[in-house]
Amino acid sequence: GAVVSQHPSWVICKSGTSVKIECRSLDFQATTMFWYRQFPKQSLMLMATSNEGSKATYEQGVEKDKFLINHASLTLSTLTVTSAHPEDSSFYICSARDSVQETQYFGPGTRLLVL
Amino acid sequence: GENVEQHPSTLSVQEGDSAVIKCTYSDSASNYFPWYKQELGKRPQLIIDIRSNVGEKKDQRIAVTLNKTAKHFSLHITETQPEDSAVYFCAASIYSGYALNFGKGTSLLVTP
Repeated sequence: GAVVSQHPSWVICKSGTSVKIECRSLDFQATTMFWYRQFPKQSLMLMATSNEGSKATYEQGVEKDKFLINHASLTLSTLTVTSAHPEDSSFYICSARDSVQETQYFGPGTRLLVL
Repeated sequence: GENVEQHPSTLSVQEGDSAVIKCTYSDSASNYFPWYKQELGKRPQLIIDIRSNVGEKKDQRIAVTLNKTAKHFSLHITETQPEDSAVYFCAASIYSGYALNFGKGTSLLVTP
C-alpha cells in the first residue's frame, strides 16, 4: 500500500516554543492532506484539511493562527504548532489522499509533549 | 455536521467468542464507513470498509453490516484471538478520500 511518513515521530519542547511537523506522501501525489489530533484515550478529531497551493480549511474551534498549515508541494504538508502550551500535548496524525485510488493513508503520527 | 456514536466503549470477550461493535451516524450524505484498529501509540489501520451501495461485507473473520435507512453500521469479529485486542474506531465520510468523522472508539480485550 501507499506510504505516508511523518517527522518527527516524537518531540518534547518547552512551553512557548514552536514545533513543526511534516507529513509526506512517499509514493503518490496528495493534493489534499488531513490533520487529526488524538488526546490520550480519546478519538481522532479532524483539525484541518490541507490543500496544495491554497489555504487550509480549519474545523470549528481550531485556531488557524496557532496551528499553521503549509501545503507547498504535492507530497508535503507541514503543521506548525506556534507558542505551544502543555494543553497542546497530543498525538498528531496526518492522512494523505491518493486521488487516483480515491482513498487516504495515515501517517505514523507525531507525539508532542510540551513541558 | 456528521456525528458518529459508537458503542460499547469497552468490550471484553473470551478467546474464540464473537465481538460486535455498533455505530450510528447522523448525516444522510455519508456514503463511506471504514473501521480502524489502533494499537497503543500507533497509527489507525484500516481493517474493513463498506460503501452505502452495499449492505454487508466480509473479510475472513471480520464483517461489517450497514443499514442506511436506520443510519447504523456494525463490526463483527468472529473467533476472536488475543491479538485482536486493540481500540477499534468506526468512521463516516462522504466518500473514501474525504475527511473522516470518527466514533469515540471501543477498547476490545480478548482474554485467553
